[in-house]
Amino acid sequence: NAGVTQTPKFQVLKTGQSMTLQCAQDMNHEYMSWYRQDPGMGLRLIHYSVGAGITDQGEVPNGYNVSRSTTEDFPLRLLSAAPSQTSVYFCASSSLSKNIQYFGAGTRLSVL
Amino acid sequence: DAKTTQPPSMDCAEGRAANLPCNHSTISGNEYVYWYRQIHSQGPQYIIHGLKNNETNEMASLIITEDRKSSTLILPHATLRDTAVYYCIVRDSNAGGTSYGKLTFGQGTILTVHP
Repeated sequence: NAGVTQTPKFQVLKTGQSMTLQCAQDMNHEYMSWYRQDPGMGLRLIHYSVGAGITDQGEVPNGYNVSRSTTEDFPLRLLSAAPSQTSVYFCASSSLSKNIQYFGAGTRLSVL
Repeated sequence: DAKTTQPPSMDCAEGRAANLPCNHSTISGNEYVYWYRQIHSQGPQYIIHGLKNNETNEMASLIITEDRKSSTLILPHATLRDTAVYYCIVRDSNAGGTSYGKLTFGQGTILTVHP
């Protein structure tokens, strides 16, 4: 049982480049979310989803897009990367019946 | 969701109990208290949660005051591996719609366990 898997673990982008951060879970969880964590700060919610085809914005959604076509996957897209998006990104999932969130290991992104 | 207040840092000697306080004076009747921790460079890890009764699991104990305005996470025998940032989060576990599962992380408490 892999839990929540995030890829890649590290990424360096140039300003203006686009990329997709991948998140997959094998626990059949309905709820999935993306957070970012900047140095010395707590986690901030970017986007979340309560099921396939349903997504909503969190605290800091600007510059990010998400989609949820399957229960297992919840990719986060950066359409035009900016230095302000340099951060560590965490994906999480939970079931609707038991609201305990499981987190991935994170993706460390640097935008130059 | 109710806001929480935690001390920014605490120290604990290895083998001793670590008692981490959290104030949530605006908590409402249907809101649970959750504790997560984040060990350096790793994703957050769920520890325990409770509504009004004290709770215990293999990792920790959670003591909630009778008026539910504050709580304490207890690590009974702290080890060096328990050094981490500990987050106290209050939320409505039964929130429906698109608010379900939304966790609001504050600054947390940096717990340092020393030999």
